[in-house]
Amino acid sequence: GDSVTQMEGPVTLSEEAFLTINCTYTATGYPSLFWYVQYPGEGLQLLLKATKADDKGSNKGFEATYRKETTSFHLEKGSVQVSDSAVYFCALILTGGGNKLTFGTGTQLKVEL
Amino acid sequence: EAGVAQSPRYKIIEKRQSVAFWCNPISGHATLYWYQQILGQGPKLLIQFQNNGVVDDSQLPKDRFSAERLKGVDSTLKIQPAKLEDSAVYLCASIPGISYNEQFFGPGTRLTVL
Repeated sequence: GDSVTQMEGPVTLSEEAFLTINCTYTATGYPSLFWYVQYPGEGLQLLLKATKADDKGSNKGFEATYRKETTSFHLEKGSVQVSDSAVYFCALILTGGGNKLTFGTGTQLKVEL
Repeated sequence: EAGVAQSPRYKIIEKRQSVAFWCNPISGHATLYWYQQILGQGPKLLIQFQNNGVVDDSQLPKDRFSAERLKGVDSTLKIQPAKLEDSAVYLCASIPGISYNEQFFGPGTRLTVL
């Protein structure tokens, strides 16, 4: 079946450090890929998305590039802030799959001063 | 524009009791989802509605879980009787229509079963 694998957390970084959260996927079809973020006490929010190979999604300084050859969608940010502390979920939707999201297990990010 | 509303935000019950969660999607959103998020895991789809019809309930434990969206607007998810392993956050999400791929999530209901 379709699945998403994320690096385990928690990831602890100092403010202004570079962030990478790895995400790889397995899909029978041709998926759209997403990163969702969950801040403490809040619901999931879409952070960025990419719908085809080589697309780059970006938002709030975060970026991720859809790599079909490596089936990956790694999340990066050049300089993290304390306010970026949250849980990040990688997810996919299969085209024609009824828009059902398949999520990874989430990666907790803690940013310290 | 108001977001997806859920209530209650927190619920604590004893095992074998029943519980119900309510979701009101964004106005005009035809498609509604319920997800279960167990601590340390990603959300798992329980059921998907298109208007007042069920599109997918293949992951819903139908012996104890039920859901309805009678008028195609708000929805209720019920668990009866609850088990310890049902402790989780129950998330509701909606989209305008089946071809729209960004889901809008509510804040969730955290259920603790003792």
